[in-house]
Amino acid sequence: QKEVEQNSGPLSVPEGAIASLNCTYSDRGSQSFFWYRQYSGKSPELIMFIYSNGDKEDGRFTAQLNKASQYVSLLIRDSQPSDSATYLCAVNPLAGTALIFGKGTTLSVSS
Amino acid sequence: DTAVSQTPKYLVTQMGNDKSIKCEQNLGHDTMYWYKQDSKKFLKIMFSYNNKELIINETVPNRFSPKSPDKAHLNLHINSLELGDSAVYFCASSQGGQVFGKLFFGSGTQLSVL
Repeated sequence: QKEVEQNSGPLSVPEGAIASLNCTYSDRGSQSFFWYRQYSGKSPELIMFIYSNGDKEDGRFTAQLNKASQYVSLLIRDSQPSDSATYLCAVNPLAGTALIFGKGTTLSVSS
Repeated sequence: DTAVSQTPKYLVTQMGNDKSIKCEQNLGHDTMYWYKQDSKKFLKIMFSYNNKELIINETVPNRFSPKSPDKAHLNLHINSLELGDSAVYFCASSQGGQVFGKLFFGSGTQLSVL
């Protein structure tokens, strides 16, 4: 059973701080990794993806991948109240198969 | 112009009824999906179609039957609805190749079985 694990939270950070969201996955052969953001009552939207070990930055977001440790993380710098949402980690275990989602981490950014 | 649209947004029905959810995408994507999100927000794949061909069929009761008349449409029919079917059902689409996994979701259908 391929699994993706996330701490459900809630993770609470003050405005302007760095929020760190973590995810581990069980299938060592997994090839690509995604972070989706879901606001309450809305559909998930893709915010970051990463395929190779290391860091990938996009604005205030940085995705980090360590395949040896089977670990993916998302850092949000200068957190804003508008970042308050549930963040879903998703893993593609093999090309052509469907994404496996974690249960999400709820982030709350207080002003 | 909505990229992935699904209807209806809300569906309230009695146990034992049959209902359908429709989904259409105008992104030109090859692959479409149905995901189920339960009350704990866990998003789980149900079905996937690539160019009208079923490629993923997870452990889902036979009461659920997807149909893809063309690659832009994927519908979900549910027979004999049960209380446990209450959830949000999301349609999604993606292109193949290296961008596989970049899903575009519809707005969801909140199904409540009474």
